[in-house]
Amino acid sequence: EAGVAQSPRYKIIEKRQSVAFWCNPISGHATLYWYQQILGQGPKLLIQFQNNGVVDDSQLPKDRFSAERLKGVDSTLKIQPAKLEDSAVYLCASSLRGNAANTIYFGEGSWLTVV
Amino acid sequence: DQQVKQNSPSLSVQEGRISILNCDYTNSMFDYFLWYKKYPAEGPTFLISISSIKDKNEDGRFTVFLNKSAKHLSLHIVPSQPGDSAVYFCAASENNNDMRFGAGTRLTVKP
Repeated sequence: EAGVAQSPRYKIIEKRQSVAFWCNPISGHATLYWYQQILGQGPKLLIQFQNNGVVDDSQLPKDRFSAERLKGVDSTLKIQPAKLEDSAVYLCASSLRGNAANTIYFGEGSWLTVV
Repeated sequence: DQQVKQNSPSLSVQEGRISILNCDYTNSMFDYFLWYKKYPAEGPTFLISISSIKDKNEDGRFTVFLNKSAKHLSLHIVPSQPGDSAVYFCAASENNNDMRFGAGTRLTVKP
């Protein structure tokens, strides 16, 4: 079974530039999550989708971050404009139903450095 | 707000001995607790979980203990192996929503 795919793995951008990350969840998984993990901290949920609808985006900085999952499969997370404090690993995860926490599968992450 | 805390950033143990990783939480509404393991350059992988209706869950060498009155859980690994060296994250959720993670503890198992 293929895992959660993310790209790019690494990205370095200057502050005020924009960046986009892509995620392809495990086939058949209805729920998709984007987490931000800053160095030395645990992952923090940014947004959760159930199919193509948003379930929770309460911790998403909506002035600069946006995410979409148009067809209920792939998802993109965009940051525009980026700030230095956005440097982090952006983890995409998916689960079958979103109501059983132990079935969350993470991708390898997209490492962002803002300089 | 740090609702889930792992106060030890690192732990070093000898191969064959017991590793004990600790986690504290502040939200009494949390009802499901998990441990994730993360190797460098990989995403976290699920290790073991426990529901708030239990106080112990065991899976092979891994056991999680939950003390609800103290709002504390721990992960025991016995015996520890060098391949267990990784960062371990404690996580908690309420009604399986909005899982909150601790900052992680880096475990090093020395041969």
